[in-house]
Amino acid sequence: AQKITQTQPGMFVQEKEAVTLDCTYDTSDQSYGLFWYKQPSSGEMIFLIYQGSYDEQNATEGRYSLNFQKARKSANLVISASQLGDSAMYFCAMREVTFSGGYNKLIFGAGTRLAVHP
Amino acid sequence: SAVISQKPSRDICQRGTSLTIQCQVDSQVTMMFWYRQQPGQSLTLIATANQGSEATYESGFVIDKFPISRPNLTFSTLTVSNMSPEDSSIYLCSVIGPGGSGEKLFFGSGTQLSVL
Repeated sequence: AQKITQTQPGMFVQEKEAVTLDCTYDTSDQSYGLFWYKQPSSGEMIFLIYQGSYDEQNATEGRYSLNFQKARKSANLVISASQLGDSAMYFCAMREVTFSGGYNKLIFGAGTRLAVHP
Repeated sequence: SAVISQKPSRDICQRGTSLTIQCQVDSQVTMMFWYRQQPGQSLTLIATANQGSEATYESGFVIDKFPISRPNLTFSTLTVSNMSPEDSSIYLCSVIGPGGSGEKLFFGSGTQLSVL
């Protein structure tokens, strides 16, 4: 069965510093997608970044980058130049790829709560 | 990206009653997904709603408890029936991004439900 593991329940970082949030995954599929979402205290889920299993380069979106190490089955999120507004829960997720009906089910990790200190 | 409007944003309900949550998308989408996030937990998929067909429910979720409607390609509702305090959660609808962003799933702002 597919599984996402986030081993850091909480992380602290100083403002303007970089932080890495860990995510490992387990799947026997060759084709899959990896996502990171941010959930502020308001409860909404904000899409941050996506990495496809066949993408050769690490994904980047502004201050977010995904350190994709396929052989190690890890997809760590790197946030550069942390800001106070980055304080939130961060979820790593994986998308099953099924070709019967194109069903894109997301499986989520337990999340990491990031606190950015001034 | 898709713009998803979800309402109500929050509600406090009495046990035994039902609440219907609405999800409106600004573009036509084939599949809509309903997720539940229990307090302090991660997200769990309740069901997938395709227009014109019965929703597909995940293990542990049944239609009698969580009936879903999908009358057109931009709208869906999730009803939480005969509520108990264990149903207190955030409920989120989600869609696959349109066009070139088809790899991305976008979420509504969520409905924070508290059952007394």
